[in-house]
Amino acid sequence: GAVVSQHPSWVICKSGTSVKIECRSLDFQATTMFWYRQFPKQSLMLMATSNEGSKATYEQGVEKDKFLINHASLTLSTLTVTSAHPEDSSFYICSASEVSYEQYFGPGTRLTVT
Amino acid sequence: GNSVTQMEGPVTLSEEAFLTINCTYTATGYPSLFWYVQYPGEGLQLLLKATKADDKGSNKGFEATYRKETTSFHLEKGSVQVSDSAVYFCALSGPYEGAQKLVFGQGTRLTINP
Repeated sequence: GAVVSQHPSWVICKSGTSVKIECRSLDFQATTMFWYRQFPKQSLMLMATSNEGSKATYEQGVEKDKFLINHASLTLSTLTVTSAHPEDSSFYICSASEVSYEQYFGPGTRLTVT
Repeated sequence: GNSVTQMEGPVTLSEEAFLTINCTYTATGYPSLFWYVQYPGEGLQLLLKATKADDKGSNKGFEATYRKETTSFHLEKGSVQVSDSAVYFCALSGPYEGAQKLVFGQGTRLTINP
C-alpha cells in the first residue's frame, strides 16, 4: 500500500514555456503533500508544503509565482514551473502523507529546460 | 536551523561485508531520525526510524541507534547483499520546525559487488 505516482517521469521543455508535474496518491488520501527539489549528487530540498484545499506554504527562497502548487483534492497535487529557464532543470520529487505523518515518496520527475 | 550530515559516497563493498554509513545531525531539542533508501528508478522508502534518545530502529537487517550525546544516527548492517545497492539518505524532522518537515543529508550511494 501507500503508493505515490508522478507524471511525467521525464520532461523536456523550451526556455520560457511552462510545465506541469502531477503527483498522485493511489491508495490513500493525502491530507498533506510535499514538493522537493534534488540537484545532482545533492540532497533533497523542501520547496513547499500543501494541504488539500489550502494555499501552499513555501520555504524561504522559493519563488511562489514561479513554482505554482495546487492541491485540489486528497489524491492529487500539481507543481507548475512557469516560464522555465535552464537553471530550473532538476529532479522534482513529491511526497504525500495522511494522518500518520509518515511521508510516502513518488519516483520523481526529471525536468530538462533547453 | 536543523541540518544533517552524512558520509560522502560512493561506497563500494563486497557481498557479505560489514556496512556503516555515518550520520550526524544538528537540531534543537529531540528530533525524530530516519533512514530512507532509494533504489534505482524508485521513490524514497522509509527504511527505519527512531523517535527518542537510545531508541534503535531496525529493518531488513539494517540498524541505527539514536545517540543524543554524539548527535548521531549511524546506519549499520552486518552482511550486505547485492540487492542493498541503492542510495541511502539520513533525515530528521521536528521538533520545532514542523513535525512533518524532513531535512535530508546529501545521500550516500552504496554499491555491493558479488
